[in-house]
Amino acid sequence: DAGVTQSPTHLIKTRGQQVTLRCSPKSGHDTVSWYQQALGQGPQFIFQYYEEEERQRGNFPDRFSGHQFPNYSSELNVNALLLGDSALYLCASSLVPDSHYGYTFGSGTRLTVV
Amino acid sequence: AQKVTQAQTEISVVEKEDVTLDCVYETRDTTYYLFWYKQPPSGELVFLIRRNSFDEQNEISGRYSWNFQKSTSSFNFTITASQVVDSAVYFCALRRGSGAGSYQLTFGKGTKLSVIP
Repeated sequence: DAGVTQSPTHLIKTRGQQVTLRCSPKSGHDTVSWYQQALGQGPQFIFQYYEEEERQRGNFPDRFSGHQFPNYSSELNVNALLLGDSALYLCASSLVPDSHYGYTFGSGTRLTVV
Repeated sequence: AQKVTQAQTEISVVEKEDVTLDCVYETRDTTYYLFWYKQPPSGELVFLIRRNSFDEQNEISGRYSWNFQKSTSSFNFTITASQVVDSAVYFCALRRGSGAGSYQLTFGKGTKLSVIP
């Protein structure tokens, strides 16, 4: 049973560019959440997608946007990259948005902005 | 506002020692959920335990145990007879039971545990 799959594993972008990160949820899960984890910090909630809609959003600017596809996979897009966007981006999936059983996380995408 | 504090940034212990990781949380909700996750160097967050606010029973799972005390807003995690494989960053997290923000986890900054052989 595949867990949460994220791609790419690592990437390097230049300040001002745009980036798209991808996530496939665990089999049977229909909800995807995205988190940003800066070095030495805990993950920060970006947003959650359920039924192809953004259900909840954390304190992140509009440069961060997302999408969920009919097969429940998701993309995270970041425009006009800043040096401060360098972080590990984690995708988490769950059975429902307010899962009482926690979330299954992927290994993340390490984004470096230079 | 939800807040989780893990005051211990880094802890080093010698293999087979017991170690306790502290977690203090802040919330105005009566219904909420607490979690512990383990993050090995691979980066993936591994779910360890979930506790709801109405269940204050301590839990033991093998070498792991958790002490939930609402009176002190703490949810501490103890590893007994630590092993090198326990080396990782451990995160405590909080989620609202309902209402705005109930879909997100609020994490502490984590405690890096190093178990020395």
